[in-house]
Amino acid sequence: AQSVSQHNHHVILSEAASLELGCNYSYGGTVNLFWYVQYPGQHLQLLLKYFSGDPLVKGIKGFEAEFIKSKFSFNLRKPSVQWSDTAEYFCAVNAGSGGGADGLTFGKGTHLIIQP
Amino acid sequence: DVKVTQSSRYLVKRTGEKVFLECVQDMDHENMFWYRQDPGLGLRLIYFSYDVKMKEKGDIPEGYSVSREKKERFSLILESASTNQTSMYLCASSPPGQGAETQYFGPGTRLLVL
Repeated sequence: AQSVSQHNHHVILSEAASLELGCNYSYGGTVNLFWYVQYPGQHLQLLLKYFSGDPLVKGIKGFEAEFIKSKFSFNLRKPSVQWSDTAEYFCAVNAGSGGGADGLTFGKGTHLIIQP
Repeated sequence: DVKVTQSSRYLVKRTGEKVFLECVQDMDHENMFWYRQDPGLGLRLIYFSYDVKMKEKGDIPEGYSVSREKKERFSLILESASTNQTSMYLCASSPPGQGAETQYFGPGTRLLVL
């Protein structure tokens, strides 16, 4: 079974600072990787995903993530954060061979607070 | 846009009650999921279904059951609610085939069991 580890439970940054949220997974086979975001009072929504190809993927709102297979990592980055990026961020993984029908395994989440 | 709706945003129930949480999606998705979300624990998969009348246990199925009588509707049932089932419950759906891994989430139902 796969598992996901997010390094930081709480992160506080000032506006315009650079962001990197760590995510490591454990699974020996092909994986699909995701970052989801939950803004206060809103639905969980997809930020970006990696299935195959270019390991650097770009998502919405200026976010990007890099898949490093040798490190089993999929870290989320943003060069300059805004107050509106305050949210909870979840890394998730799905075994690539499963066809997606068997659900996602989520990390415990990182609560990001951006101070104006 | 995919829309996943959940019948209630907030529910308060008493210990021992039978509780039904309903989820409906409008995009003809084959796959549907129930998760619970708890602070510091992230989302954990309770049950999922890849077709009508089909169901599979997720990581934490104990104390729960599900029903999928129609493609668009997936119900989560707490046969006898307990206080440790107080949580936020999230429903999700995903299409078949390529892209099935991308899930679309509902707004959640916050359940309090007294």
